[in-house]
Amino acid sequence: EAGVAQSPRYKIIEKRQSVAFWCNPISGHATLYWYQQILGQGPKLLIQFQNNGVVDDSQLPKDRFSAERLKGVDSTLKIQPAKLEDSAVYLCASSLLTGNYGYTFGSGTRLTVV
Amino acid sequence: QKEVEQDPGPLSVPEGAIVSLNCTYSNSAFQYFMWYRQYSRKGPELLMYTYSSGNKEDGRFTAQVDKSSKYISLFIRDSQPSDSATYLCAMSAYDNAGNMLTFGGGTRLMVKP
Repeated sequence: EAGVAQSPRYKIIEKRQSVAFWCNPISGHATLYWYQQILGQGPKLLIQFQNNGVVDDSQLPKDRFSAERLKGVDSTLKIQPAKLEDSAVYLCASSLLTGNYGYTFGSGTRLTVV
Repeated sequence: QKEVEQDPGPLSVPEGAIVSLNCTYSNSAFQYFMWYRQYSRKGPELLMYTYSSGNKEDGRFTAQVDKSSKYISLFIRDSQPSDSATYLCAMSAYDNAGNMLTFGGGTRLMVKP
């Protein structure tokens, strides 16, 4: 079984620039999550999709962050404009809709804002 | 106060030692408890999954949940250098699939040969 794919692996941008991250979940996983992990901290949920609908985006800074999951498969997360405090690893995860199987995480995109 | 508290470490032990990793939490609604292992520059991977109180064993790993004390533990027996990683506890109030997890900050473990 292929894992959760994310790209790019690393990105360095200047503050106020925009950036986009891409995620391809495990085939058949209806639920997709974007988490932000700041260095030395645990992951924090940004947004959760079920198929192509948003389930929870209460912690997404909507003035600068946006995400979409077209056709209920791939997803993109965008930041515009970026701030220094957005420097973090952005993790994508997916899970089945039912059953206690836990999440499968991708390796993440490490963003540095300078 | 954070919902889930975890000592950040680092915790350094010699190879073969028994390791104890712990988390405390404040939300009594949490019923599903997980431990993830995260190697450097990798995403977290699920190690253990438990529901409600009790113990669960899987090879060298044992997870314990004490809901009355809002305290969970992960024990690693015969620790190996390959166990060196950050261990994250995670919790959910509902069936994990399709529901968000709340993570602790992670404990960095180093097992020295």
